[in-house]
Amino acid sequence: EIVMTQSPATLSVSPGERATLSCRASQSVSSNLAWYQQKPGQAPRLLIYGASTRATGIPARFSGSGSGTEFTLTISSLQSEDFAVYYCQQYNNWPALTFGGGTKVEIK
Amino acid sequence: EVQLVESGGGLVQPGGSLRLSCSASGFTFSSYAMHWVRQAPGKGLEYVSAISSNGGSTYYADSVKGRFTISRDNSKNTLYLQMSSLRAEDTAVYYCVKVADSYYMDVWGKGTTVTVSS
Repeated sequence: EIVMTQSPATLSVSPGERATLSCRASQSVSSNLAWYQQKPGQAPRLLIYGASTRATGIPARFSGSGSGTEFTLTISSLQSEDFAVYYCQQYNNWPALTFGGGTKVEIK
Repeated sequence: EVQLVESGGGLVQPGGSLRLSCSASGFTFSSYAMHWVRQAPGKGLEYVSAISSNGGSTYYADSVKGRFTISRDNSKNTLYLQMSSLRAEDTAVYYCVKVADSYYMDVWGKGTTVTVSS
C-alpha cells in the first residue's frame, strides 16, 4: 500500500498570506495525485488533479506542483473561505487508492 | 448538473446490517467507476470500496473486506453498499463518489451517516 504523508498537520495563516501544504508518497505515484478541500459539515471538493491541473471552477490562487513522491499545494493569498482541511490522494494504482491524513489550515 | 444523493444511513446495533444507496443523475452512470469513502467523526477520509463501470470488478479496503459488498444497478443509476457484521468502528459519514476517466474522485455526494451503537 502506498502511504501518503501530509505536513504540517495544522497550518496557522493570516488572511492574505501564502499557504504551502506538503504531501509525500512512500513510492512514486507519477503525477497521479489529487487535492481535495473539506469545510466543516461539508463533503470534500476536488481542487487539483494530475498534481497540477485545477478542477472546474477552482480559483487561480490554488496551485499544485510536484511529481513522483513530493507534492505541494499552494494557496497564494488566503481568503476567509479557504480555511478548511486539505487532503491529498494518490490514484496511481487504481483501485488501491490512498489518502493523506490531512492538513488543517486555520486562521492565525 | 451532476448529482449524487446517498440514503440508507441510520443507527444500527453492533453485528447488524445496513444497505446504503446512492442515486446518480446528470451523467452517464454506466460509463464510470464509483467509490464509497467514509469519514469517522473527527477523523480523515478512508477509502472503503470501488466498483468498475459495468460492475465486473470490485475492490475493498482490508478494514471492510468480507463484511461489505459494493454493487450497482446501471438501469436504475444507483450504487449500493451492503454492510453486515457492523462494528462500532464503522461509525462514519459514508460518501458516494464518482470516478473520473483518469481515476481521481471528481464528484462527491453529501454523505449519509451510519452509527453503530447499542
